[in-house]
Amino acid sequence: SQQGEEDPQALSIQEGENATMNCSYKTSINNLQWYRQNSGRGLVHLILIRSNEREKHSGRLRVTLDTSKKSSSLLITASRAADTASYFCATLGGGGKLIFGQGTELSVKP
Amino acid sequence: DVKVTQSSRYLVKRTGEKVFLECVQDMDHENMFWYRQDPGLGLRLIYFSYDVKMKEKGDIPEGYSVSREKKERFSLILESASTNQTSMYLCASSRLRTRSYEQYFGPGTRLTVT
Repeated sequence: SQQGEEDPQALSIQEGENATMNCSYKTSINNLQWYRQNSGRGLVHLILIRSNEREKHSGRLRVTLDTSKKSSSLLITASRAADTASYFCATLGGGGKLIFGQGTELSVKP
Repeated sequence: DVKVTQSSRYLVKRTGEKVFLECVQDMDHENMFWYRQDPGLGLRLIYFSYDVKMKEKGDIPEGYSVSREKKERFSLILESASTNQTSMYLCASSRLRTRSYEQYFGPGTRLTVT
């Protein structure tokens, strides 16, 4: 079952530009997490935002959460070629399970 | 440095073979998960385990079984591999009593069934 849906499915930008990815979900959440996956590799946890938070920063990452709209966005500022990857949002289901969206494929061109 | 390892990065098997995918974590995590990842379908949960010898079906358990005899090891078994099981398989682990349930992933096994 898909909880998070990412938008856009693919995004191509130039190095130095900002990249924004959006995630919508269906049910109430405790927290929402963002993961990154380099091509052909496992996922790596980037950042978590709790349901009582509206914005969170980590380095060049900024995550916002709007629980009234059931949506979150991930902003990567001053993107680099090394940011090229797929990005997934995930929400917590029952029993400690995470429910992942289908991901946004980001391509940053040098 | 925390680590989840998977037994193979690439695996090629024939239809009908029994296939074992092994996953080991060194973080003393209670929860372990097996996902498959296919283009356009995202990550789909096959099975998970929250303790030794415990297992729960995920969203797509058909054609798979699992084994967890030790806390650090979670095995995925394809009893009789079929071509529609060609996929990327990802193992993950997390703590049971945590506020975040952040998951740590292995590097993945790309399985091809011919």
